[in-house]
Amino acid sequence: GDSVTQTEGLVTLTKGLPVMLNCTYQTTYSPFLFWYVQHLNEAPKLLLKSSTDNKRTEHQGFYATLHKSSSSFHLQKSSVQLSDSALYFCALRESNYNVLYFGSGTKLTVEP
Amino acid sequence: EAAVTQSPRNKVAVTGGKVTLSCNQTNNHNNMYWYRQDTGHGLRLIHYSYGAGSTEKGDIPDGYKASRPSQENFSLILELATPSQTSVYFCASGDAKGWEQYFGPGTRLTVL
Repeated sequence: GDSVTQTEGLVTLTKGLPVMLNCTYQTTYSPFLFWYVQHLNEAPKLLLKSSTDNKRTEHQGFYATLHKSSSSFHLQKSSVQLSDSALYFCALRESNYNVLYFGSGTKLTVEP
Repeated sequence: EAAVTQSPRNKVAVTGGKVTLSCNQTNNHNNMYWYRQDTGHGLRLIHYSYGAGSTEKGDIPDGYKASRPSQENFSLILELATPSQTSVYFCASGDAKGWEQYFGPGTRLTVL
């Protein structure tokens, strides 16, 4: 069945450094991937969503590229800020278009 | 103005008791979802609905029922609450295209 894997549970970085959060997926259908962000004591909200194969999508300084060849949709940012500290979820849209499969999440902590 | 609201925001229940979590959305979305969030497991889908009168089982439906009496309202019912159901529960709504889900603020449930 469909699944999403996020390998890092915790990532701690110093402000200003680049970050990449890994996301790989498994599906037998055409994939649509999403990144959701959840700040402390808040609801998850959409950060960005995939476009066509090998096309980069960007939002709020974060970017990701869907690579069907490697079944990946890694989230990147060139310079993290303190305000980026949050829980990040990768999600795969299921074949019936109405259900999302979420990964286990990566907690990003940015230190001064 | 919040488009997805949940009540109560916090609930303490006793083992064996009945618990009802309520969700209301003003997005006019057909689809609504109930998730639970536990550390290390991300967001897991319990039940979802395509519209008034419909409910579908998600990945972890055991011990939960759902009710969708109207477009706006979607309830999650724990007939016999158990300590293993202690968690944070999120409701979400989404349009039929499935491009984005909008989450409520969450309900923290503790079953003693």
